[in-house]
Amino acid sequence: QVQLVESGGGVLQPGRSLRLSCAASGFTFRSYGMHWVRQVPGKGLEWVAFIWYDGSNKDYADSVKGRFTISRDNSQNTLYLQMNSLRAEDTAVYYCARDLFSYDSKYSQHWGQGTLVTVSS
Amino acid sequence: EIVLTQSPGTLSLSPGERATLSCRASQSVSSSYLAWYQQIPGQAPRLLIYGASSRATGIPDRFSGSGSGTDFTLTISRLEPEDFSVYYCQQYGSSPYTFGQGTKLEIK
Repeated sequence: QVQLVESGGGVLQPGRSLRLSCAASGFTFRSYGMHWVRQVPGKGLEWVAFIWYDGSNKDYADSVKGRFTISRDNSQNTLYLQMNSLRAEDTAVYYCARDLFSYDSKYSQHWGQGTLVTVSS
Repeated sequence: EIVLTQSPGTLSLSPGERATLSCRASQSVSSSYLAWYQQIPGQAPRLLIYGASSRATGIPDRFSGSGSGTDFTLTISRLEPEDFSVYYCQQYGSSPYTFGQGTKLEIK
């Protein structure tokens, strides 16, 4: 079955960098668009970034544009989120999610369990 | 950016009752690219409805979605105990793919 496992979260100071990973299994990873979504504990969901199935198209929320980079390695079935110049407001649980349909960019059908990133001095 | 406003913020109902949740967009959502998610505290969201009205795999038929343009509705026909959680709408019509702020469905 479809599995998404995030890793790389932790506690770090403002201005530092962190890379999150999302290991995918149980489906043909190279055929699906992938998203990162975050959630401040106890608050609502915020879409962060999207990458097309082949990495040819990427998109970002305004709040992270220029600081975060989404990427993927289809040979390793892994999605990444490189986060630079981190701020306190980036503190959240970060989820990776897979699109419902292959070769598409919509509707997150499958989600990981999330990884917590805490930015604090 | 399309802003999605969900109402009410909290809905208090009893098991067996009908729930109607609203999601209003600040501008028209292209091709009804709207989804509804359910989130139980401590868990990842679960896709319920996509394309405004199509049920995702494994979702009971008591869940239904409707609407187009700027006004969308999630209806739960007869509430079961496991339905009391938080619900979010999300639009995929234009980037950024914004979420609504959520509606908490609580037991009365």
